[in-house]
Amino acid sequence: GAVVSQHPSRVICKSGTSVKIECRSLDFQATTMFWYRQFPKQSLMLMATSNEGSKATYEQGVEKDKFLINHASLTLSTLTVTSAHPEDSSFYICSAIGGEQYFGPGTRLTVT
Amino acid sequence: AQTVTQSQPEMSVQEAETVTLSCTYDTSESDYYLFWYKQPPSRQMILVIRQEAYKQQNATENRFSVNFQKAAKSFSLKISDSQLGDAAMYFCAYRTPYNNNDMRFGAGTRLTVKP
Repeated sequence: GAVVSQHPSRVICKSGTSVKIECRSLDFQATTMFWYRQFPKQSLMLMATSNEGSKATYEQGVEKDKFLINHASLTLSTLTVTSAHPEDSSFYICSAIGGEQYFGPGTRLTVT
Repeated sequence: AQTVTQSQPEMSVQEAETVTLSCTYDTSESDYYLFWYKQPPSRQMILVIRQEAYKQQNATENRFSVNFQKAAKSFSLKISDSQLGDAAMYFCAYRTPYNNNDMRFGAGTRLTVKP
């Protein structure tokens, strides 16, 4: 089946710094990718929809200036958490539509 | 907006037995897709089964089957002959064919399989 990769799988950063997470569709082109956030023992919450070549659509309550999304090509979307704080620590999952919706393995972000 | 409700935070089943996980959803759309995903400790989302709303026939995938009741907006998952490897979080999900096809998830059900 189609594969979606995320990099890095784990990242630890200091409070106030920015961190970028990459999401790639490895064997298909994806005009639309999604970014989810999952807190421990909770469900996946949709943060934003990333469309290639246009601005991302953010869900209500998600700060677009804090969570910058760039979908520069048909195989790559990036999520940048700017000025990270401990409360941003979470598991971030991307997914891409290639017929079906395929999920990346997730990125665990820890902000110290 | 569409909502997905899983009312069973935890379920337990004996190995080789059958278990049913419940899911209800709320929507005003007539066309949509429903899914069950499995999330093991690795946290990789694994598609278990999908159902198109326009299909009356319930989807089946080997030991996994669904009971799709469109009028009642119910979509339960039945796991037959449960195996130890079935232990995981299970999420019910709704995907709209509109609005970029975004997918919404229920709160999840943690399934434990007892040997």
